[in-house]
Amino acid sequence: AQSVSQHNHHVILSEAASLELGCNYSYGGTVNLFWYVQYPGQHLQLLLKYFSGDPLVKGIKGFEAEFIKSKFSFNLRKPSVQWSDTAEYFCAVSNNDMRFGAGTRLTVKP
Amino acid sequence: SAVISQKPSRDICQRGTSLTIQCQVDSQVTMMFWYRQQPGQSLTLIATANQGSEATYESGFVIDKFPISRPNLTFSTLTVSNMSPEDSSIYLCSAMDREGLAGGPGNEQFFGPGTRLTVL
Repeated sequence: AQSVSQHNHHVILSEAASLELGCNYSYGGTVNLFWYVQYPGQHLQLLLKYFSGDPLVKGIKGFEAEFIKSKFSFNLRKPSVQWSDTAEYFCAVSNNDMRFGAGTRLTVKP
Repeated sequence: SAVISQKPSRDICQRGTSLTIQCQVDSQVTMMFWYRQQPGQSLTLIATANQGSEATYESGFVIDKFPISRPNLTFSTLTVSNMSPEDSSIYLCSAMDREGLAGGPGNEQFFGPGTRLTVL
């Protein structure tokens, strides 16, 4: 089965700083890739997804991610974070089922 | 897209008892799953619920502890048996629409709101 690793456990940024969260997966076949966000005390919310086509995917709230097949990576980016982006971010990989990374906690200081 | 509902939304249970969580999808989906999210942790796949046959469990999860049923394409139950405080968690139902039966492009996965379980 596929597996996912997120390199950053906890990221602390100031408002307006740029964000990049790393995600690598291991699987030899075709996969679909996702980023989810979970705000404190709330449910998972889909930020963006990649199935095929343009490897640069734009999602909600100004987030984007780039699929680099040669690196098995799907990093999440945002050029300028806001305090309201404080949340837990999960990378996920799907083939026959969906597997999640351990998550990255983002804290944005006002 | 598919909309998933779960019952109950939360429960507080005594050690040694069992709780059955129900999951209903509003459209036919090809695959259904159960996940667990322990406090401060990521989502961990418990099992794939197979229609009309035994569920497929991930390593570390067994049928005696987490019996699962899926009598049709849109409904599944997860039972947490002989509960202990370590079972306190959020349990999420998920459905994958591989074929686009729910009107989307296919290969989309949807999540229910979760059931927050506290075991005393």
